[in-house]
Amino acid sequence: SQTIHQWPATLVQPVGSPLSLECTVEGTSNPNLYWYRQAAGRGLQLLFYSVGIGQISSEVPQNLSASRPQDRQFILSSKKLLLSDSGFYLCAWSRGSGNTIYFGEGSWLTVV
Amino acid sequence: GQSLEQPSEVTAVEGAIVQINCTYQTSGFYGLSWYQQHDGGAPTFLSYNALDGLEETGRFSSFLSRSDSYGYLLLQELQMKDSASYFCAVRVMSNTGKLIFGQGTTLQVKP
Repeated sequence: SQTIHQWPATLVQPVGSPLSLECTVEGTSNPNLYWYRQAAGRGLQLLFYSVGIGQISSEVPQNLSASRPQDRQFILSSKKLLLSDSGFYLCAWSRGSGNTIYFGEGSWLTVV
Repeated sequence: GQSLEQPSEVTAVEGAIVQINCTYQTSGFYGLSWYQQHDGGAPTFLSYNALDGLEETGRFSSFLSRSDSYGYLLLQELQMKDSASYFCAVRVMSNTGKLIFGQGTTLQVKP
């Protein structure tokens, strides 16, 4: 069966510090991968998606970036965090033509 | 632009039936999904409609009308554990599972 893991689960970072969130998928190959962000009490905003190694599509211009160094690894980064970057970050995966995406446990980021 | 509209809050009592509506306006449409999210948790998949009509899965049903750009999630025999946020989402590309989500509907089930 397929599983998705992301870490860390929670983190508190000062403004201007860097960020790295990591996500891995097991039990499948060549998944589509996604990063979503959810502000408190709000919907899910798609940040990045990837259909293959090194292929990243950005949905929202901002100070975040994503990378996919391996087939089942997806990383969300920032060089300098802003207060507005606080939120619940969710990694997700789907099969290429699948109609369902599966979410990881999420990472709570608080920028102070 | 792309937008999905759904009510922000719905309240119902245990055992009742509730319907959560969703209207959408997107650049592409390949299906409408529904996800459930409990407080502090990740969204989990409930249902998917690619064609018009009703899909039933246990106590939950989902409906789609592509001509009206409209769908709904129907929850029957409500239980306290159904208290959660419910999101509709449109699949906007055929070759990926890329989804655009609505803002979510918070359902509160009362005894």
